Amino acid sequence: GAVVSQHPSRVICKSGTSVKIECRSLDFQATTMFWYRQFPKQSLMLMATSNEGSKATYEQGVEKDKFLINHASLTLSTLTVTSAHPEDSSFYICSASDRFYEQYFGPGTRLTVT
Amino acid sequence: AQSVTQPDIHITVSEGASLELRCNYSYGATPYLFWYVQSPGQGLQLLLKYFSGDTLVQGIKGFEAEFKRSQSSFNLRKPSVHWSDAAEYFCAVGAQAAGNKLTFGGGTRVLVKP
Repeated sequence: GAVVSQHPSRVICKSGTSVKIECRSLDFQATTMFWYRQFPKQSLMLMATSNEGSKATYEQGVEKDKFLINHASLTLSTLTVTSAHPEDSSFYICSASDRFYEQYFGPGTRLTVT
Repeated sequence: AQSVTQPDIHITVSEGASLELRCNYSYGATPYLFWYVQSPGQGLQLLLKYFSGDTLVQGIKGFEAEFKRSQSSFNLRKPSVHWSDAAEYFCAVGAQAAGNKLTFGGGTRVLVKP
């Protein structure tokens, strides 16, 4: 149980385009989903927290207009990187929570912006 | 605010030897503590967690961790390391008062020598 998927696993896009990453909880309803960013050989940095049906809460320093998060249902959250640039290249990981204190992580999405 | 420190960036251990990874946290109340493992290019897998109760926690893959409130530590141990244990290990702290957010340590990369 508690499986979280991400799609795509890898994506390459051109600078200036937008890319959408999906995060799904496959066997449970996720009241809260989290989006993290991980640079090579570094730890995970929380970008934002989203609750189903409400606006995401972004961490300090994260541009909400660049990283659009939508949590339209209890099993799906999306992260859209708008007008991507090479510095947005990173590993993006989502997690989902059906309880107040435990998160289940997706396999991650490798974004490369050329 | 909560914080997590993993003092060791890299650890090299011989296969069959014991392993201990250090984790120190800073938080005013009783935190929720987690250890995750990440293989290259993959998401995070939960090894074990501490919420309350017995301070010695057993996890998957033969790992255990001990919560020591007096030392603000949650060190991870394994008696005999296998080559497949080579990975990145992250300690994380969460708290109800922090809205279920996790704060990660910087990670410890474990290399296993044959």
